[in-house]
Amino acid sequence: KQEVTQIPAALSVPEGENLVLNCSFTDSAIYNLQWFRQDPGKGLTSLLLIQSSQREQTSGRLNASLDKSSGRSTLYIAASQPGDSATYLCAVKSTGTASKLTFGTGTRLQVTL
Amino acid sequence: GAGVSQSPSNKVTEKGKDVELRCDPISGHTALYWYRQSLGQGLEFLIYFQGNSAPDKSGLPSDRFSAERTGGSVSTLTIQRTQQEDSAVYLCASSLMLAGPYEQYFGPGTRLTVT
Repeated sequence: KQEVTQIPAALSVPEGENLVLNCSFTDSAIYNLQWFRQDPGKGLTSLLLIQSSQREQTSGRLNASLDKSSGRSTLYIAASQPGDSATYLCAVKSTGTASKLTFGTGTRLQVTL
Repeated sequence: GAGVSQSPSNKVTEKGKDVELRCDPISGHTALYWYRQSLGQGLEFLIYFQGNSAPDKSGLPSDRFSAERTGGSVSTLTIQRTQQEDSAVYLCASSLMLAGPYEQYFGPGTRLTVT
């Protein structure tokens, strides 16, 4: 059974700092890994999707890496801004019939002025 | 084209009443998924559809929950005799196909509150 863990659970940083969010998963039989952002009371916003054959994906100030063999992914946020404050979720799409997403419990990020 | 849509966006209901939650997937997407996010809990998978078929209902929390999909498009999640523990955000997602590296696209969710 796939299990996804995110560390840290919460993080507070001053504006301008670079930061790294971590995600680990137990079963490497995945199609891809996705990072989402969730604002309070809102739905999910997809940030980056990394296919299992890829090592990283970049979008603006965001960079996500994937090491499938070790079951790890990191989300790097450069030059953080107060608008980056949100909960960040990683999810893996496992191979198999259902190909469902298994989500981590998230990292709650607060970027302060 | 339009993304995944869900209705209603918010639903408040009294304990014991039945509710129906609707999901309109992206046109042409054959796979559809339902997830639930309870307060303070993570996102849990409920059920998936390939076309109109839902082969595995084991993720549904209880037999009060049912789901159907018609015409390979719209899906309805029905909760009978709602309980307070059913209060959550219900998210729907669709993808081009079930198996394979296809991205799942999420709707905005339905926030269900059972009083």
